Amino acid sequence: AQSVTQPDIHITVSEGASLELRCNYSYGATPYLFWYVQSPGQGLQLLLKYFSGDTLVQGIKGFEAEFKRSQSSFNLRKPSVHWSDAAEYFCAVGPPNQAGTALIFGKGTTLSVSS
Amino acid sequence: KAGVTQTPRYLIKTRGQQVTLSCSPISGHRSVSWYQQTPGQGLQFLFEYFSETQRNKGNFPGRFSGRQFSNSRSEMNVSTLELGDSALYLCASTGQGNTEAFFGQGTRLTVV
Repeated sequence: AQSVTQPDIHITVSEGASLELRCNYSYGATPYLFWYVQSPGQGLQLLLKYFSGDTLVQGIKGFEAEFKRSQSSFNLRKPSVHWSDAAEYFCAVGPPNQAGTALIFGKGTTLSVSS
Repeated sequence: KAGVTQTPRYLIKTRGQQVTLSCSPISGHRSVSWYQQTPGQGLQFLFEYFSETQRNKGNFPGRFSGRQFSNSRSEMNVSTLELGDSALYLCASTGQGNTEAFFGQGTRLTVV
């Protein structure tokens, strides 16, 4: 079955510290991979995406993610977290021929930033 | 350009009623997808419409339906509402090349 697992429900990081959010997926073929962020009461904003090629992808707001095929993982990282990064983060996969549709989401990781 | 617009933003309905939610995609986008977000089940794909045809469908009962108009605007309908249908319903539009889904702010449906 197709699924996305985000093992960490809630993470607290000190402002200025580094961040890594984990994502593992199960999919028949290599899917298209996404990370979205959601602030309270808002829709989803795309942080970055991976379709093919270089396995380290850069996104907005200083985020990056690394695709590891052997581990079926797509972990999100940021070198230095800002208080404004506090939000909920979702990893998602989608069919390679219809990249932006029929997305399967993980349950999300809530990021809190402490001062 | 304008983003994805969902109306209304908030809605309160009574169990057993039906409800219609609207989504206007980004201009030029022909694909519209709908998602349900609840605390327990997270984000789940409902269905996707492309050029007025349902192209993909998630695992939801037949009470959930949708349609798309010639201008790409989409509506979803939920009949015989249940308490468990209370959720944030998100709409996303995708443009040519299908590289990214742009999400609206959602409609918060509360069933009482």
